[in-house]
Amino acid sequence: QVTLKESGPALVKPTQTLTLTCTFSGFSLSTSGMRVSWIRQPPGKALEWLARIDWDDDKVYSTSLKTRLTISKDTSKNQVVLTMTNMDPVDTATYYCARMGGGYYFDYWGQGTLVTVSS
Amino acid sequence: QSALTQPASVSGSPGQSITISCTGTSSDVGGYNFVSWYQQHPGKAPKFMIYDVSNRPSGVSIRFSGSKSGNTASLTISGLQAEDEAEYYCSSYTSSGTWVFGGGTKVTVL
Repeated sequence: QVTLKESGPALVKPTQTLTLTCTFSGFSLSTSGMRVSWIRQPPGKALEWLARIDWDDDKVYSTSLKTRLTISKDTSKNQVVLTMTNMDPVDTATYYCARMGGGYYFDYWGQGTLVTVSS
Repeated sequence: QSALTQPASVSGSPGQSITISCTGTSSDVGGYNFVSWYQQHPGKAPKFMIYDVSNRPSGVSIRFSGSKSGNTASLTISGLQAEDEAEYYCSSYTSSGTWVFGGGTKVTVL
């Protein structure tokens, strides 16, 4: 079955760079049409889409955050990595990775990882 | 890209039907049939409920249905049950090639 799991630091300091890894199973990111997105959710607030990477390495970023985000994949390890630079307390959120199985929707989600930005 | 507009809360009694609206623009909801809906219980990851406006993935109850008119999409829950109490989010593909979510709607079963 399809599973995704996010990993990374629980606490980062302001101005630092956050690196999150999404490790998945049950599908391959080398399969045509397959995509993985990152989505975040500040405590008590709404979901916010961040970035997407495709099977052919095409990448799309949130317009408002594109200067701070980089998404990459390691197909052999079944992993997708998101980096976010210049972290700020407002970036405190649960970060999710989600599969996009050939459509324009997020069909499988990881459990999320809470990242707190504080000095 | 501004968030899609959803009512903050909707409530109903068991057995009733409720509808959650999701209003965007012609650059997102109105421009594409790529609206999806997600259910989120407290402390849990979102669950995929509806895709491409009105399609249900396998395993999702037929009590959940979606529709769209112009720039507004809607999620209807029929035969409301206690387990339906959760936060619901809509999402749409946009003309920028990105995705946008709604602000979320808390559904309360009275």
